[in-house]
Amino acid sequence: AIRVTQSPSSFSASTGDRVTITCRASQGVVSQFAWYQQKPGKAPNLLIYAASTLQSGVPTRFSGSGSGTDFTLTISGLQSEDFATYYCQQYYSYPFTFGQGTKVEIK
Amino acid sequence: EVQLVESGGGLVQPGGSLRLSCAASGFTFSDHYMDWVRQAPGKGPEWIGRIRNRANSYTTEYAASVKGRFTVSRDDSENSLHLQMNSLETEDTAVYYCARSTSGKILDYWGQGTLVTVSS
Repeated sequence: AIRVTQSPSSFSASTGDRVTITCRASQGVVSQFAWYQQKPGKAPNLLIYAASTLQSGVPTRFSGSGSGTDFTLTISGLQSEDFATYYCQQYYSYPFTFGQGTKVEIK
Repeated sequence: EVQLVESGGGLVQPGGSLRLSCAASGFTFSDHYMDWVRQAPGKGPEWIGRIRNRANSYTTEYAASVKGRFTVSRDDSENSLHLQMNSLETEDTAVYYCARSTSGKILDYWGQGTLVTVSS
């Protein structure tokens, strides 16, 4: 199985900050990579797929980049509703695998 | 509006069985692959299985952790997805989500989840 390593596991930030979360896949996944946001008690919500394509309805402050093994999620101008846990996922090969998550907390 | 509603979760003893269901609405269910993903308390999501559509012969894929114990099935006439779970272990305790797959790849809509607790 492809391992997906996500970092950092958590950090604190302030409203308005630009924040970056990274993921590394243990082998190349081309651009078959997604990012999700999850709030407590809720299902993950798809933010970005194909490494950089914004899902319909997702604010444009979210962006994704990367291909191959290294991927980045950037939030440009953190809003109060963005404090949540973020997961990355590869869907290049079975089993689909997720990163361990990054919790973004209020500073 | 796409809706996925899971049901069937609960408390079961180790070695027991449980069948989860997912009722789909708001889209053409028969066109899509459908997946199950679970999330243990305090952990990240774990993809556990998929069933393709009729055009792809309803073939399935499973994670190694559940292969041989869990079975994914679907009823396109009822717009429903099922997960039969046998030989349950304490490690299977999790919230179980059904998810719609688009283009056979991305998991673009998820249900609210149903909690399965395996404990004696």
